[in-house]
Amino acid sequence: EVLLVDSGGDLVQPGGSLRLSCEGSGFDFSRYEMIWVRQAPGKGLEWVSYIDSSGRIIDYADSVKGRFTISRDHTERSVFLQMRGLTTDDTAIYYCARLGWYGSGRVPDYWGQGTLVTVSS
Amino acid sequence: EIVLTQSPATLSLSPGERATLSCRASQSVSSSLAWFQQKPGQAPRLLIYDASNRAPGIPARFSGSGSGTDFTLTISSLEPGDFAVYYCQQRSDWPSCTFGQGTKLEIK
Repeated sequence: EVLLVDSGGDLVQPGGSLRLSCEGSGFDFSRYEMIWVRQAPGKGLEWVSYIDSSGRIIDYADSVKGRFTISRDHTERSVFLQMRGLTTDDTAIYYCARLGWYGSGRVPDYWGQGTLVTVSS
Repeated sequence: EIVLTQSPATLSLSPGERATLSCRASQSVSSSLAWFQQKPGQAPRLLIYDASNRAPGIPARFSGSGSGTDFTLTISSLEPGDFAVYYCQQRSDWPSCTFGQGTKLEIK
C-alpha cells in the first residue's frame, strides 16, 4: 500500500523557520517526483514546490521562492521542505504528494495526510 | 501563470441529480487537466487525469470532458458521499502547476 506521512508542522513566530518531512512507503520512492501543496484555512489548494526523482530539478511558487528549500533523501525515503522567513500568509496545512505517471504526464496520485503550520506571535 | 477559474463557486443539488462543474483556463492547457475531490479534514483525491480519464478505482458516474481552455466534470447521479469540494488542476507549464479555486458541491 502506498503511504505518505507528513510531519513537522508546528506553531512558529513570524520570521521563524520550520522543516517539514514526508516519508513514503509501499513504492519505489527513488523513482518518483514529489511536490508540496498547501491549503490556508478555509481556502483552496496552492502548489508550493517540486523536486524531480534525482533531486536536481527543483521549482518553487513565486510566493515562497528564496525562503523555502525542497530536498529529498532516498535512504530515508523522504522529501523535506525547509521554510525560513515565515509570515502569517504561510499559515496552512502542508501536503506532500507523489507524482504518478498517468496517460501523457504526471499527476499527484497519492497525498500525505497533511501537517499544520501556524505562523503567529 | 495559467489561471484556472471554476464555476459555480457553490452548487446545491440533491442525491440522484446530475452535477456539472466547470473549469476554464486563462490559456490553452491542451488536455493537461486533472480533477480532485476533497472532503473535510482529508487530503485531495485524484478523480480524473488528462481531462477525461478516470483514475483507478473511481466510479463510472464521474466523467470529465474538454480540451484547450474549457473543461467539465460531470457526476451523473449524485450519491451522499459525493458532496465535497472539487478542484481542477493544470500541469501545462510543468514543473509548476496551478489549481482552480474550487467548487463546493452541497446537499440541497
